[in-house]
Amino acid sequence: GAVVSQHPSWVICKSGTSVKIECRSLDFQATTMFWYRQFPKQSLMLMATSNEGSKATYEQGVEKDKFLINHASLTLSTLTVTSAHPEDSSFYICSASQVQGAAYEQYFGPGTRLTVT
Amino acid sequence: GQNIDQPTEMTATEGAIVQINCTYQTSGFNGLFWYQQHAGEAPTFLSYNVLDGLEEKGRFSSFLSRSKGYSYLLLKELQMKDSASYLCAVLDSNYQLIWGAGTKLIIKP
Repeated sequence: GAVVSQHPSWVICKSGTSVKIECRSLDFQATTMFWYRQFPKQSLMLMATSNEGSKATYEQGVEKDKFLINHASLTLSTLTVTSAHPEDSSFYICSASQVQGAAYEQYFGPGTRLTVT
Repeated sequence: GQNIDQPTEMTATEGAIVQINCTYQTSGFNGLFWYQQHAGEAPTFLSYNVLDGLEEKGRFSSFLSRSKGYSYLLLKELQMKDSASYLCAVLDSNYQLIWGAGTKLIIKP
């Protein structure tokens, strides 16, 4: 149980375009979803926390107008990278929790590798 | 500020034992996690310690000393598939996860 999927698993896009990444909890209701970014040889960096039906809470330094997060249902959250640039190339990972705000109980998705050319 | 330190890289031999250390300085403490992350994949949960002492789970064990702000992950009978990064993460007083940079473990035959 507690499976989280992400789609796509990898994507290549041109600079200036937008990319949408989906995160789904397959067998449980995800009250809270977390979005992380990981650059090569670095640790996970929390970008934002989203609770179903509410606006996402962004970490300091993360542009909310660039990284649009929607958590419209208990099983789906989306991250849209708008006007992507090469420096946005990274590994994006989502995680989901059944308990609101519970960072201690996170189930991770497999990640999405974004390359912006 | 909040800080988690762990070695950048370690090398060990197949069949041997390795200990990966993690020290932390955080605003409050509500538990420490160890995750394993293979290259290009998401982290997978290994252990959670909130009380002092050693927790054993098969070939992997995790130790915590809250007074010293210190934990270690002990891997026994190393296998080639254990080659991965090992991430230490602390849950602070606000129940936010603070992540270490990870330790890349290289297993040699």
